[in-house]
Amino acid sequence: DVKVTQSSRYLVKRTGEKVFLECVQDMDHENMFWYRQDPGLGLRLIYFSYDVKMKEKGDIPEGYSVSREKKERFSLILESASTNQTSMYLCASSLSGTNTEAFFGQGTRLTVV
Amino acid sequence: GDSVTQMEGPVTLSEEAFLTINCTYTATGYPSLFWYVQYPGEGLQLLLKATKADDKGSNKGFEATYRKETTSFHLEKGSVQVSDSAVYFCALREYGNKLVFGAGTILRVKS
Repeated sequence: DVKVTQSSRYLVKRTGEKVFLECVQDMDHENMFWYRQDPGLGLRLIYFSYDVKMKEKGDIPEGYSVSREKKERFSLILESASTNQTSMYLCASSLSGTNTEAFFGQGTRLTVV
Repeated sequence: GDSVTQMEGPVTLSEEAFLTINCTYTATGYPSLFWYVQYPGEGLQLLLKATKADDKGSNKGFEATYRKETTSFHLEKGSVQVSDSAVYFCALREYGNKLVFGAGTILRVKS
């Protein structure tokens, strides 16, 4: 079974902290994604990576950065956490190709206080 | 850019009722279309997909047909169960490999 593992289910951080969300997949997928899920807004793409060290901005990249140094790991970084970044963060991975399925992690519920 | 529009929820149905969740899309090319489901406390999982016009995806009694002429991919099920209560997301994927989601529709099924 494909497994996408996010490092934490719940996180509480203070305003201004630098926050790292880690995601690891075990199926040698080229593509990895970070989404933010908010009620009524669905899933909004923050960043997308199509290969090691390659990334593209999604719809809401402001306040976030990403790192993909190894194929299996995709990290989301909040440079200076703010309360409006309190949300559920979902990581996903897939093979390349428009008809391929994406596999999701369980999500990280981040609260910034 | 590409976008997906779903009917607003929540949708509340009695057990064994017929379900339709509407989904329409805007895309520049010929995307693949997906329905994902999120059960309480879990991540998203693929429910079904269709990769070209007139294809029908089906799984667990759910069906959706790729309608290019109406740019739609409506989800249907003939008889819902309490265990179908979840959030349903319509999504598309095309050139560039980005996966774009709708806002999600909450389904509540009462016994």
